Amino acid sequence: AQSVTQLDSHVSVSEGTPVLLRCNYSSSYSPSLFWYVQHPNKGLQLLLKYTSAATLVKGINGFEAEFKKSETSFHLTKPSAHMSDAAEYFCVVSGLGYGNKLVFGAGTILRVKS
Amino acid sequence: ETGVTQSPTHLIKTRGQQVTLRCSSQSGHNTVSWYQQALGQGPQFIFQYYREEENGRGNFPPRFSGLQFPNYSSELNVNALELDDSALYLCASSFPSGRANEQFFGPGTRLTVL
Repeated sequence: AQSVTQLDSHVSVSEGTPVLLRCNYSSSYSPSLFWYVQHPNKGLQLLLKYTSAATLVKGINGFEAEFKKSETSFHLTKPSAHMSDAAEYFCVVSGLGYGNKLVFGAGTILRVKS
Repeated sequence: ETGVTQSPTHLIKTRGQQVTLRCSSQSGHNTVSWYQQALGQGPQFIFQYYREEENGRGNFPPRFSGLQFPNYSSELNVNALELDDSALYLCASSFPSGRANEQFFGPGTRLTVL
């Protein structure tokens, strides 16, 4: 079985400061991992994905994530937060079987203060 | 390239009624997945359709059913609506190729059951 745990339900940062959203995963085989973002009243947008290539993955809007197998983590970072980054972020795991269903974490709401 | 579209955007029903939600997949995608996102939670996998056949199902009762059509569009049907069915229903399309592929999400249908 696969699961993800997002360690913070809410994160608050000041504009221009670094962002760290934490995610641990559990998978019985080599997983694919994703980060999606959801702005209020909008659908989900893919930020980045890891599929067993480079462990440091770069995504859109300056976000990146590092896959650490020894720590079963896939934390999302950004060097400098922008007001437009305020949204809910989901860490997601997918694997083989059952047509690649996605298993979502509970989400982290990012607040950016001016 | 047309993205994933869903209709209607909002829907209000009463307990015991039936509802049909619709999804048009992104051009070139032959797989559609449905997710339920309750308020304050991450999306939960309902089921997936691949080439008009159900290709995996989450922990949802049989009153949740679906269809996929030859053009790969899809319907989600929910019978005997319950208050807990109130949620955002998300459709995602993809084109699997043996390894987990990213899924592209529509904007969702907000269902309210009174």
